[in-house]
Amino acid sequence: AQTVTQSQPEMSVQEAETVTLSCTYDTSESDYYLFWYKQPPSRQMILVIRQEAYKQQNATENRFSVNFQKAAKSFSLKISDSQLGDAAMYFCAYRSLVQGGKLIFGQGTELSVKP
Amino acid sequence: GAVVSQHPSWVICKSGTSVKIECRSLDFQATTMFWYRQFPKQSLMLMATSNEGSKATYEQGVEKDKFLINHASLTLSTLTVTSAHPEDSSFYICSARDFAGTLSYEQYFGPGTRLTVT
Repeated sequence: AQTVTQSQPEMSVQEAETVTLSCTYDTSESDYYLFWYKQPPSRQMILVIRQEAYKQQNATENRFSVNFQKAAKSFSLKISDSQLGDAAMYFCAYRSLVQGGKLIFGQGTELSVKP
Repeated sequence: GAVVSQHPSWVICKSGTSVKIECRSLDFQATTMFWYRQFPKQSLMLMATSNEGSKATYEQGVEKDKFLINHASLTLSTLTVTSAHPEDSSFYICSARDFAGTLSYEQYFGPGTRLTVT
């Protein structure tokens, strides 16, 4: 079974600085999707970025980028120029292309942004 | 983007009663819907997956007779917590996918429902 691990329960960053959130996963599959979701205090889940495993190029969405290391099964999220609105819980998630494609979430990392 | 709504957003019920939570896809047809449970400061735990017109598939450890899921149409799924007890108090989130196959990567989340059982 696939697992997703986020080893940083809490992280803190100064406004305008850069922070990297870590995520590792375990799978025997060769093709899958990886996601980072943001859950602000409103608790609405928001998709931040996604990565298809077959793509070698790291995904980028404005200030958000990932470092996808397939061999190492690592999928970190880098937030550049951090803003106060970035403060939230961040969840890394894995989705298989088989078995109904359920999202498997990591434990989450709570990010605080200091002004 | 696609929108998923949940109703109610917050419900308080007495122990022993049942409560129904609705999840609707507003601008797309949701062939597959997912129900999650989340405790404070914790991750989302998948409870069940439902496909329109079929019985829901429950995750291991989730009581199917306690958490009744109905996905009767392509835009509506309901979760009924039967004979609720205080330990059922939690945040329930539904999510919907607009394509049953594996090619669709997008899964849309509702805003969640806070259930408090007194």
